[in-house]
Amino acid sequence: EDQVTQSPEALRLQEGESSSLNCSYTVSGLRGLFWYRQDPGKGPEFLFTLYSAGEEKEKERLKATLTKKESFLHITAPKPEDSATYLCAVVHLMDSSYKLIFGSGTRLLVRP
Amino acid sequence: DTGVSQDPRHKITKRGQNVTFRCDPISEHNRLYWYRQTLGQGPEFLTYFQNEAQLEKSRLLSDRFSAERPKGSFSTLEIQRTEQGDSAMYLCASSPLGGMEPQHFGDGTRLSIL
Repeated sequence: EDQVTQSPEALRLQEGESSSLNCSYTVSGLRGLFWYRQDPGKGPEFLFTLYSAGEEKEKERLKATLTKKESFLHITAPKPEDSATYLCAVVHLMDSSYKLIFGSGTRLLVRP
Repeated sequence: DTGVSQDPRHKITKRGQNVTFRCDPISEHNRLYWYRQTLGQGPEFLTYFQNEAQLEKSRLLSDRFSAERPKGSFSTLEIQRTEQGDSAMYLCASSPLGGMEPQHFGDGTRLSIL
């Protein structure tokens, strides 16, 4: 059974203090891994898709990387507006599409 | 692109009542998904439509739950005889056909059972 574990559950950073969030997964053949950002009371907002080990994607202060067992979301010099829950999800293929298997997320708080 | 729209945003009801939620996907997105999210957890897949056909259902979708997408555009999710355990955020997502295009989520309907 596909499983996704995210750590830490919560992270407090000072503005400008870089850090990384971890997403470890157990799947029978990774087809894709997604990162989403979720603000309180809102739906998840798509950030990145990674497909194979060694792949990297960047967007502003965020950089996502992928190995055969885990993915990292690196946040460089974060700002208070980066405060949110970050969700990682792996692809589970269905006959005609795919569903996402999510981890429980990392709640990030960036203090000014 | 107006995004995925869900209505209502909040629903409070008494245990045993029926509730219905609506999802309007991004225009021309053939794929539509429903997920459920409880506090402190990630979303869990409920069901999937390709156009008007419901092609996948999770075992989480008990017989009290029914979903439709009659014309391949908007979708509804109905819960009959609601129970305390149904309290959650119900999220809708859509994506275009083909490959693994990202699923784009609406802001959900938060259901509270009294």
